[in-house]
Parts: sequence; structure tokens; C-alpha cells
Amino acid sequence: DAGVTQSPTHLIKTRGQQVTLRCSPKSGHDTVSWYQQALGQGPQFIFQYYEEEERQRGNFPDRFSGHQFPNYSSELNVNALLLGDSALYLCASSRSPREQYFGPGTRLTVT
Amino acid sequence: AQSVSQHNHHVILSEAASLELGCNYSYGGTVNLFWYVQYPGQHLQLLLKYFSGDPLVKGIKGFEAEFIKSKFSFNLRKPSVQWSDTAEYFCAVDRGSTLGRLYFGRGTQLTVWP
Repeated sequence: DAGVTQSPTHLIKTRGQQVTLRCSPKSGHDTVSWYQQALGQGPQFIFQYYEEEERQRGNFPDRFSGHQFPNYSSELNVNALLLGDSALYLCASSRSPREQYFGPGTRLTVT
Repeated sequence: AQSVSQHNHHVILSEAASLELGCNYSYGGTVNLFWYVQYPGQHLQLLLKYFSGDPLVKGIKGFEAEFIKSKFSFNLRKPSVQWSDTAEYFCAVDRGSTLGRLYFGRGTQLTVWP
């Protein structure tokens, strides 16, 4: 049984560019949450998707957007990248909202 | 201000020493509480969780945590650590009003010397 998978593993982008990160949830899970983890910090909640809709959103600007597909996989899009967007982006999936399983993350570097 | 506080950023212990990592949160009302662990080169893994019932919860690998509602605390303990426990430990809170949104502490790096 595969766990949560994320792609790509690493990504280097230039300021102003746009990026798309992908997540496949654990089998049987229908809810996907995205988190940003800056160096030396705990993960910060970006948003959560359920039934292809954004159900909750954290304190992130509109440059951060997402999507969930009918097969429950999800994408995180970030527009107009800033240096401060450099971080590890984590995807977590769950069958219910209460117990989340995390993927390995995508390391984004903005230069 | 941090809403989930982990008091120790880096803890260094020798094998067989006892461990206690502190976690305090500042939310009222119903909460669900978690400890996650991140071993070197691996992803975040759930160590243990508290939803309701017995405030002393047991997790994997001999870890346990105690929920003290009056102190808004959920401290992690292990009576005897091993070298393989070297990892970063994160406390997380799921507020009842925002079910599924985890608020994390900034983490505690545990180093265990053999």
C-alpha cells in the first residue's frame, strides 16, 4: 500500500515564476491538506481540499492556489514566486480530518 | 506569537536516559493532539494521538504522552531512549473549530548518543 507521494522531490525556480506541485494521497483517503515548512520551523497550514473543493484555508496570499481531482490527487500552485516562498511543501492525506499522513515533501528553492 | 509551544529546541541525551519533551498550546475548547516524528531523511510520521478518553496515550516505539487539560499541555515521554530515537519531534494541535487544520510547534531536535 503506497503512502502519500509527492512530485517533484526538488525544484529550483526564479523569482516571479510560477510552480505546480503534485500530491497523490494514500489509498482510501479523500482529504488532502498542504503545508509549508520553512527551515527551522514547524509546518504551516496552507489549505485543505475535500470533494474537489477548498474546505479550509490558512493565512497565505491568493498567489497560493490549489486543486483536487476526482481521483483525490491534488496540486498546489504558487504564482509570482518570492524568495520567501523557498521551503519544504508537505502534502498530507486523511480519510477523516482527524488523522493525517504526510508525504516526503517537495523542496522548493526560489533564486 | 506561537500558539503551540515546544520549550526545547534541541535536547541531547545518552542512551537509556529518560526523555520528556514539553508541548503547550493556547487554544480553548475541544482539541485533538498529536506528536509527529521526523527521522533523518524521512517524512513526518505519526507517533501518537489524543482525541478523547484516557489522557495518558501510548504510541509507537515505547513513547507515551499525557494530556493535562488544566495546563494546556501534552508532553511526550519515553523512559529509556535509544540511539535510533534521534529525530525531530513535532507537537501539533487540531482545534475543534477547524477540524483537520493542524497547528504545529517549531519542533525539538533530539540527539541520542550511544
